[in-house]
Amino acid sequence: NAGVMQNPRHLVRRRGQEARLRCSPMKGHSHVYWYRQLPEEGLKFMVYLQKENIIDESGMPKERFSAEFPKEGPSILRIQQVVRGDSAAYFCASSGPPRGSGYGYTFGSGTRLTVV
Amino acid sequence: AQKITQTQPGMFVQEKEAVTLDCTYDTSDQSYGLFWYKQPSSGEMIFLIYQGSYDEQNATEGRYSLNFQKARKSANLVISASQLGDSAMYFCAMRGSNTGNQFYFGTGTSLTVIP
Repeated sequence: NAGVMQNPRHLVRRRGQEARLRCSPMKGHSHVYWYRQLPEEGLKFMVYLQKENIIDESGMPKERFSAEFPKEGPSILRIQQVVRGDSAAYFCASSGPPRGSGYGYTFGSGTRLTVV
Repeated sequence: AQKITQTQPGMFVQEKEAVTLDCTYDTSDQSYGLFWYKQPSSGEMIFLIYQGSYDEQNATEGRYSLNFQKARKSANLVISASQLGDSAMYFCAMRGSNTGNQFYFGTGTSLTVIP
């Protein structure tokens, strides 16, 4: 499967634990984006990364959330000390080099985080 | 500011009929792209169709077409010959040339196809 791979598909964490969400981009893609979908809402941008660089994190909450895309391995979205309000679907997408507004992403299938 | 508005929370359509899902947008960018995604109950986001702001022809992809009216800032999705498998959430999204890092999504329309 050459698509965007996210794991796990479902993740349950107790309040106060850490959640780690992984995303492997499509082959040949070096640009990764994370989005969050709260219940009954559309996707909201969180962060845009290239290998070893955070390009735009304007949508990331200021505390407890971090993201990385190391030289080797998948991109990781880390949520520390999770709270019930973090329960959502987290989508990763990847693309080739941006070309204005006309290019699209390929989305992964998402990770559904439930905080109990 | 960029904004996408989908005013139909839920829609029903008879199998084999056509249905139009509404989307209006607001942007200050001169160049932008409009996208529709389908999200079935399994949760993945499936790309359906794309329209560029300078494209003169309305985009079509199989049974999907995009009714693009630039002056009205609308980008409605038309699904012809609806099938039961079309039942899903549908999201309209936009990316502007000056905000190229991110999509702006609407809140979605839930489509149910009735046999």
